Amino acid sequence: GQNIDQPTEMTATEGAIVQINCTYQTSGFNGLFWYQQHAGEAPTFLSYNVLDGLEEKGRFSSFLSRSKGYSYLLLKELQMKDSASYLCAVRDAAAGNKLTFGGGTRVLVKP
Amino acid sequence: GAVVSQHPSRVICKSGTSVKIECRSLDFQATTMFWYRQFPKQSLMLMATSNEGSKATYEQGVEKDKFLINHASLTLSTLTVTSAHPEDSSFYICSASRAQQGNTIYFGEGSWLTVV
Repeated sequence: GQNIDQPTEMTATEGAIVQINCTYQTSGFNGLFWYQQHAGEAPTFLSYNVLDGLEEKGRFSSFLSRSKGYSYLLLKELQMKDSASYLCAVRDAAAGNKLTFGGGTRVLVKP
Repeated sequence: GAVVSQHPSRVICKSGTSVKIECRSLDFQATTMFWYRQFPKQSLMLMATSNEGSKATYEQGVEKDKFLINHASLTLSTLTVTSAHPEDSSFYICSASRAQQGNTIYFGEGSWLTVV
């Protein structure tokens, strides 16, 4: 099976930077996804990493180290609308390419 | 814009009845779609993998006779909750993999089911 861990909650100030870590264990790693989910809504895609390194998309960046089973999502210049849950999900080729989610990290942005 | 569309977004049904939720991939073909359920303040839990033209693969603990999945075409999968009970009330979300973008997985808008 898979084990995906991320912190439950984080609080940060508007304009600041927050880094959300995610560690995973999987037998057939085939990509790691980050999604943002506002309460009561479906997840929206933020980033996808399949090779080691940093992927940057505007204010959001995601990093992957396959050897360490580790990823982080970096949110810069935080805005109030960034208050949401952030879900780390790993795709496992050994399990039919299913996507398994971590528990999600609730980020609260304060003024 | 949305690449995966789900309908209805909200539905209320009576106990014992059945309700169907549709998941469509827009402008791309999806041979595989996934159905998730999410209870309040919990993470998404995979229910089943929907395969076009063949039977769905259900996760352990998910009753296949209760949650019927039909993937009749390359752009449509349906989830039917049969003989619904109040404990089936939940947020149901589908996802599909888009090959043109490195198999990025996109989610539908989700469907809120309330069984009364």
